[in-house]
Amino acid sequence: AQRVTQPEKLLSVFKGAPVELKCNYSYSGSPELFWYVQYSRQRLQLLLRHISRESIKGFTADLNKGETSFHLKKPFAQEEDSAMYYCALRSFGNEKLTFGTGTRLTIIP
Amino acid sequence: DVKVTQSSRYLVKRTGEKVFLECVQDMDHENMFWYRQDPGLGLRLIYFSYDVKMKEKGDIPEGYSVSREKKERFSLILESASTNQTSMYLCASTSIGQGTDTQYFGPGTRLTVL
Repeated sequence: AQRVTQPEKLLSVFKGAPVELKCNYSYSGSPELFWYVQYSRQRLQLLLRHISRESIKGFTADLNKGETSFHLKKPFAQEEDSAMYYCALRSFGNEKLTFGTGTRLTIIP
Repeated sequence: DVKVTQSSRYLVKRTGEKVFLECVQDMDHENMFWYRQDPGLGLRLIYFSYDVKMKEKGDIPEGYSVSREKKERFSLILESASTNQTSMYLCASTSIGQGTDTQYFGPGTRLTVL
């Protein structure tokens, strides 16, 4: 069975400080990993996916198969980054996503 | 832009009532999903459908059923609502193939069962 673990339910960071939201997964095959974000009063939306290897809103995430991790990072936090973040995994050939329990990020001005 | 709409933003029902939650997408997506979102538990998949009249159980299907008679519409049914089904319900849709695997979410329906 596949599982996604986000160990931090809450994370507070000062504006301008680096941010790291942790995500670990368990899956025996080759996974596809995603980060979804939900801003206040907005719908859940895709932030980034590992296969794109892109930076969105200054965030990056690298898939580390050895450590089975997909941590989300940003060098300098901004107030508008305050949101709920979910890590998600999709197994090969499967249309379903398995989500973690989420981390609520608060940026302190 | 993909649009996923849900019939109600807020719903209050009584224990034992039959509840229908409707979801409509306008992008001809094959796959549609129903999740519930609870604090500390994240998103949990209730049911999903990969085609009209096709459905598959997710991780927590007990107490729920679904209906997909048309490609654009996916309904979640609570046959006899209970207080432990008080939650935020999210619908999502996605196409398949060619990297178009982003799930697009609706705004959610906050259901309270009294």
